[in-house]
Amino acid sequence: SYVLTQPPSVSVAPGQTARITCGGNNIGTKSVHWYQQKPGQAPVLVINYDSDRPSGIPERFSGSNSGNTATLTIRWVEAGDEADYYCQVYDSRSDHRVFGSGTKVTVL
Amino acid sequence: EVQLVETGPGLVQPGGSLRLSCAASGFPITNYYMSWVRQAPGKGLEWVSTIYNLGGTYYADSVKGRVTISRDTSKNTLYLQMNSLRVEDTAVYYCARLMGDGGGYNDYWGQGTLVTVSS
Repeated sequence: SYVLTQPPSVSVAPGQTARITCGGNNIGTKSVHWYQQKPGQAPVLVINYDSDRPSGIPERFSGSNSGNTATLTIRWVEAGDEADYYCQVYDSRSDHRVFGSGTKVTVL
Repeated sequence: EVQLVETGPGLVQPGGSLRLSCAASGFPITNYYMSWVRQAPGKGLEWVSTIYNLGGTYYADSVKGRVTISRDTSKNTLYLQMNSLRVEDTAVYYCARLMGDGGGYNDYWGQGTLVTVSS
């Protein structure tokens, strides 16, 4: 089965840039979606199709995908961005949806 | 307004069965792919199952053979029947709507319902 690998944690100072990676075999050939989840809440979509921002998501959130790594970038990080972030793809070989292991973003 | 509201029995004994419900409003579930995603306490998100608009169903290997996803169009409700429950099935279960091509993404999620498998 397809595996997505994320770093367990990323720490960033307010106003700086956070980069969260999502590794997978030839992930650049797949569409990657990113979700933000705050404690006790349901996930919220922040990026779809590698780099598209849904309505209501700040421009500070952006995404890219190439080769074996997809990246979610959060610029000008705010305290409110502290959350768990998950990448997700669709594996057409198995018709399975796959989530990454999640990355906890801590704002220092 | 799109809303998804999950309900379930809460506590179930190992080896038992349960059915989770997800009542949808604001859109017809038969026009969309719908998924169940779970999250064990302190753990990450795990895809469980998806039903396609034309009725095709797909399951994670961890639940295949023990779980059935279905829907009732008259009630606009999604279900997840779970049998032979194990302690490791303890999790918050979310239903979510899928949008887009190429497998899609989850644009709306319910608030989740906690299932505890324990004796």
